[in-house]
Order: sequence, then structure tokens, then C-alpha cells
Amino acid sequence: KQEVTQIPAALSVPEGENLVLNCSFTDSAIYNLQWFRQDPGKGLTSLLLIQSSQREQTSGRLNASLDKSSGRSTLYIAASQPGDSATYLCAGQGGGADGLTFGKGTHLIIQP
Amino acid sequence: DAGVIQSPRHEVTEMGQEVTLRCKPISGHNSLFWYRQTMMRGLELLIYFNNNVPIDDSGMPEDRFSAKMPNASFSTLKIQPSEPRDSAVYFCASRETGINYGYTFGSGTRLTVV
Repeated sequence: KQEVTQIPAALSVPEGENLVLNCSFTDSAIYNLQWFRQDPGKGLTSLLLIQSSQREQTSGRLNASLDKSSGRSTLYIAASQPGDSATYLCAGQGGGADGLTFGKGTHLIIQP
Repeated sequence: DAGVIQSPRHEVTEMGQEVTLRCKPISGHNSLFWYRQTMMRGLELLIYFNNNVPIDDSGMPEDRFSAKMPNASFSTLKIQPSEPRDSAVYFCASRETGINYGYTFGSGTRLTVV
């Protein structure tokens, strides 16, 4: 059964810093990995999807990488802004199951 | 596209009452998923459908929970009878069938059972 772990659980940094959020998964037979953002009381917004044949994806200030051999993915946020404050969730699809398995998320606060 | 549409946004009900949550997936998306989010357990997959057929309901916590997808544009998740421990946010998601497509989530239904 796929298990996804996110570290750190919470992070608070000053505005302008570059930061890295980490995600690890137990089953290397992962198809896709998707990063989401969740604002308080809101739904999930997809940020980046790394498909099975890819190693990274970029969107604006965000870059996500996937290393199946080590069972890890990272989300890099450049030049952080207060508007980036949210919970970031990593989710993997693999192991034969069609649904996503989520980590518990990283609660990010960017201080103005 | 309007995205995945869920209703109601909020539901408060008394213990023992029947609760029905609704979801309209994105047109053309053949797979539909129901998730539950709680502080303690995070996001958990309850059940998913491919082409309106339930594929895996192993995440449904109890027989009190049931889900249907009568057509490609509508799904329901029913809890009967409801209990306080069912209080959570319930999300519906959809995607195109195939391994290389991402998931799109609805805004969720916040259920409170008192």
C-alpha cells in the first residue's frame, strides 16, 4: 500500500526566500505525482503534475521534481510571497490503484 | 468549463438523519472519486468510479455509506444514518481515464453532524 510522507509539517519563512518542500513515497511503482495547494476552508488547486515518464515540471515560480528510484519528490518555490501561504499537498498515483494517495501536507506561512 | 461542482457547500444535520452529497464531474472525465478530509487522517479515498461503474469501494468506512453514479454527469454519496464522527469535508474529484491525466477537485462539502 502506497504511503506518502511530507516534511516539514509546517514551515514559516520571511518573504523573498527560496524554499523546498519534501515528499517521499514508499512504492516506487508510481505513475504520476501531483502537487496541490489548499487554502483554509477551500478545495484543492492543482499546481503541477509530473507524469510517469517525466522528471520535473515548472510553472512560474514553482518547480517540482520526481525521483522514483529514491521515492522522493520536491516542490521548489522561488522568491516566496505572502500569497503563497497555504497548505501544500503531495499525492501519488501508483501501485495499481487508480486513486491518489495523499501526504498530510506542509502548512506554509510566508511572513511579510 | 465550470470545473467539478459539489453541493451543498455546507451541511449541518442531526445524528441519525440521512445526508446526501452531490457531485457533477467535468464533462468528458470518465473517472470520479470521492474523498474525505479530516484533521486526524488527512485525505482518504472512499470510492471511485470508471465509466459510471464502481471500481473500488474499499475505503468506504461502514455500510452506512453508499455511493452511486447513475450517469456520466452526476454522482451521490449518501450517509444513512449519520453520526458525529462523520463530520468532515467531503471532496469529489474527476479526471480523464488513463494513467497520465491529473485530478481536478471540487470545492468540497463541509459536513457537520451534531
